[in-house]
Amino acid sequence: DAKTTQPNSMESNEEEPVHLPCNHSTISGTDYIHWYRQLPSQGPEYVIHGLTSNVNNRMASLAIAEDRKSSTLILHRATLRDAAVYYCIRSNTGNQFYFGTGTSLTVIP
Amino acid sequence: DADVTQTPRNRITKTGKRIMLECSQTKGHDRMYWYRQDPGLGLRLIYYSFDVKDINKGEISDGYSVSRQAQAKFSLSLESAIPNQTALYFCATSDPGTRDSNEQFFGPGTRLTVL
Repeated sequence: DAKTTQPNSMESNEEEPVHLPCNHSTISGTDYIHWYRQLPSQGPEYVIHGLTSNVNNRMASLAIAEDRKSSTLILHRATLRDAAVYYCIRSNTGNQFYFGTGTSLTVIP
Repeated sequence: DADVTQTPRNRITKTGKRIMLECSQTKGHDRMYWYRQDPGLGLRLIYYSFDVKDINKGEISDGYSVSRQAQAKFSLSLESAIPNQTALYFCATSDPGTRDSNEQFFGPGTRLTVL
């Protein structure tokens, strides 16, 4: 199965770090790992992506396991605006995206 | 103005009707995609196009067809709509570039209800 596995929901307190896990145990060596988030009534928007090495950008960090069978999206300080559904996605060499079911993140003030 | 637009934003139709959903983009991207999203699920790829002359089936193409009229326009058609095609439909674009830079940009979605 090309899809990813994520917890249905998670909670975090505002201004605390959040670690969102993803399992992709059948990933192939050339598949990229992407994270997108979806706010209510909007299309998904890019968060971060990577292949093998850990990645950092202004929004988040992506930690990829050495065997690439799992990854973790890290939001360093959750804000209320980070409340969304976060999707872990695999993309193949044709850049076809395979979405997981997503994790709904609730941020508690 | 939005870079990726979809029309209509909402549509209610009856079983058996032909429906067309349209997507336009001003990003100048060659690649365009159509996805559907069912409640509580992630998006699934219906069709994708890497340029005007290239059309490819995705995971769930049965019951759908597409037309790439120009670089900026990609339409999705339901020839004979059925109730289980009730869903939220998203269009997306991406620039070929390198695989490492292939971010997809999504439109706001079209909510389709088939009665």
